Amino acid sequence: AQSVTQLGSHVSVSEGALVLLRCNYSSSVPPYLFWYVQYPNQGLQLLLKYTTGATLVKGINGFEAEFKKSETSFHLTKPSAHMSDAAEYFCAVRNSGNEKLTFGTGTRLTIIP
Amino acid sequence: NAGVMQNPRHLVRRRGQEARLRCSPMKGHSHVYWYRQLPEEGLKFMVYLQKENIIDESGMPKERFSAEFPKEGPSILRIQQVVRGDSAAYFCASSPTGTGVRNQPQHFGDGTRLSIL
Repeated sequence: AQSVTQLGSHVSVSEGALVLLRCNYSSSVPPYLFWYVQYPNQGLQLLLKYTTGATLVKGINGFEAEFKKSETSFHLTKPSAHMSDAAEYFCAVRNSGNEKLTFGTGTRLTIIP
Repeated sequence: NAGVMQNPRHLVRRRGQEARLRCSPMKGHSHVYWYRQLPEEGLKFMVYLQKENIIDESGMPKERFSAEFPKEGPSILRIQQVVRGDSAAYFCASSPTGTGVRNQPQHFGDGTRLSIL
């Protein structure tokens, strides 16, 4: 079985500060890992994904994430927060033999002016 | 290229009525997934369908819920005899068909927000 844990249901950072959203997963087989962003009353938009290859993955809007197998982590970072980054962020895992995504409970990011 | 289209965006039903939620996948996609998002929670997988086939329904409640993806037309998630606990946002996602595309991400629609009175 696969699972995702997102530490911190709410994170607040000042505009221009580093954004760090944490994600840990459990999976019995090599995972595919994803970060999605959800703006109010909208669907999920893919930020970035890790499948194979380079463990540092760059996504849209300046976000990136690093797959660390030894720590079973896939934390999301952005060097400098922007007001438009305020949203809910979901980490998800999918096993190579399984089509369904398993999501974490989400982290609501607030940007302080 | 239109994205995943879901309708209606908002649906209000009284207890005991039926709710029908529609999802048209992206052009060229024949894999459809339904997820449910309860308030303050993440998305939970419900069902995975390909054209005319249910592949994985391990997340579907045993009663009142059904899904289909006919050869022609959108995928339909049907909830019969709705109860207050069915109030949630229901999201549809799609991905491309064919072998070798398992690394493709799922593309999500904007969801249908179901409210039960």
